[in-house]
Amino acid sequence: DIQMTQSPSSLSASVGDRVTITCQASQDITNYLNWYQQKPGKAPKLLIYDASNLETGVPSRFSGSGSGTHFTFTISSLQPEDIGTYYCQQYDKFLTFGGGTKVEIK
Amino acid sequence: QVQLVESGGGVVQPGRSLRLSCAASGFTFSVYSMHWVRQAPGKGLEWVAVISNDGSKKFYTDSVKGRFTISRDNSKSTLYLQMNGLRVEDTAVYYCARRGGDYWGQGTLVTVSS
Repeated sequence: DIQMTQSPSSLSASVGDRVTITCQASQDITNYLNWYQQKPGKAPKLLIYDASNLETGVPSRFSGSGSGTHFTFTISSLQPEDIGTYYCQQYDKFLTFGGGTKVEIK
Repeated sequence: QVQLVESGGGVVQPGRSLRLSCAASGFTFSVYSMHWVRQAPGKGLEWVAVISNDGSKKFYTDSVKGRFTISRDNSKSTLYLQMNGLRVEDTAVYYCARRGGDYWGQGTLVTVSS
């Protein structure tokens, strides 16, 4: 089974800060990686697919990079509406999720 | 537009059964593999099962093997999850998701409690 290790598990940053989350796969998943945002009581919302492609309608301050086993998700300028929990997810074989990163405003 | 709508959740006693449904619309359902993913209260996301587009291949996470069955009816554009022998630890919001996870339903809550 493919394991996804996501860090940090939580972070607190100021409005306007650059925020970075990393995700490491236990084996090569090429670019079969999504990033989601989830708010309480809601389904996950797809932000980035294929590791680096911005989903339609998602603000350009969100970005993703990486391939193989190491991936990065960035919010270039944190906004108040960005609070929530972020997950990486591989879809090379079945689906596996990272443990999540809870993002708060300082 | 693509829509996935889950139903069938509720409160059930340990050992009992429940069947979840996921009604799909806005795309050619028979072309896509489909997943069930769950999220226990306050926890992260956990993949549960996947079914191929034609229903011929099915895979499960270890904790539900032998208890849960995923199925689909392409004529009705509907995905199912038959859950037998439910345990307290199966309590979660259950989501259906399309193929790689590009579309998700809103989820249905399953609570297993005596």
